[in-house]
Amino acid sequence: LAKTTQPISMDSYEGQEVNITCSHNNIATNDYITWYQQFPSQGPRFIIQGYKTKVTNEVASLFIPADRKSSTLSLPRVSLSDTAVYYCLVDMIYNQGGKLIFGQGTELSVKP
Amino acid sequence: EPEVTQTPSHQVTQMGQEVILRCVPISNHLYFYWYRQILGQKVEFLVSFYNNEISEKSEIFDDQFSVERPDGSNFTLKIRSTKLEDSAMYFCASREQGTEAFFGQGTRLTVV
Repeated sequence: LAKTTQPISMDSYEGQEVNITCSHNNIATNDYITWYQQFPSQGPRFIIQGYKTKVTNEVASLFIPADRKSSTLSLPRVSLSDTAVYYCLVDMIYNQGGKLIFGQGTELSVKP
Repeated sequence: EPEVTQTPSHQVTQMGQEVILRCVPISNHLYFYWYRQILGQKVEFLVSFYNNEISEKSEIFDDQFSVERPDGSNFTLKIRSTKLEDSAMYFCASREQGTEAFFGQGTRLTVV
């Protein structure tokens, strides 16, 4: 599985847009890029997933350039409740029994 | 929304005792996983399970660990003889092929 690299921490203020960039230089053809969110003492929660270009859902957008060696998670107008750890992973979603390998994640702190 | 449920939410046990952590995956999912997270550290893969057998396990998943799907709905993790270093949050996850993984809220295991 390709390794991912993302900033250890980020600070933001309420109402701002937050962009977290992740690099995955060795991403394979079958890998999808997936982001999870984790609050303290809770299980990781799926945010968004994409293969290429742009994906948007009700909580975030995911931008993936053509070479797929990086991706950017965009959180519009964050609130205090978005304070959490955000994990970027590559996921072979069509691989039978594919496991997820978590890195250290990005600890996002949203301030008032 | 369907969810993965885990019991108990918190388990305290004495060193050397056996513990069984229980999970009810989402009903139509075929792939099941256990992860653990030591306080302040990243989420670590333990084992994946498909078609009533282990499909992959990590170095952490040694002979003291075992998994079972005893009745077609529950998925259990047994730790035979707990050690202090087994204290962690344990997360169960399940997925269908081609979709994201869903995580439970975790069991906090404290070994004293």
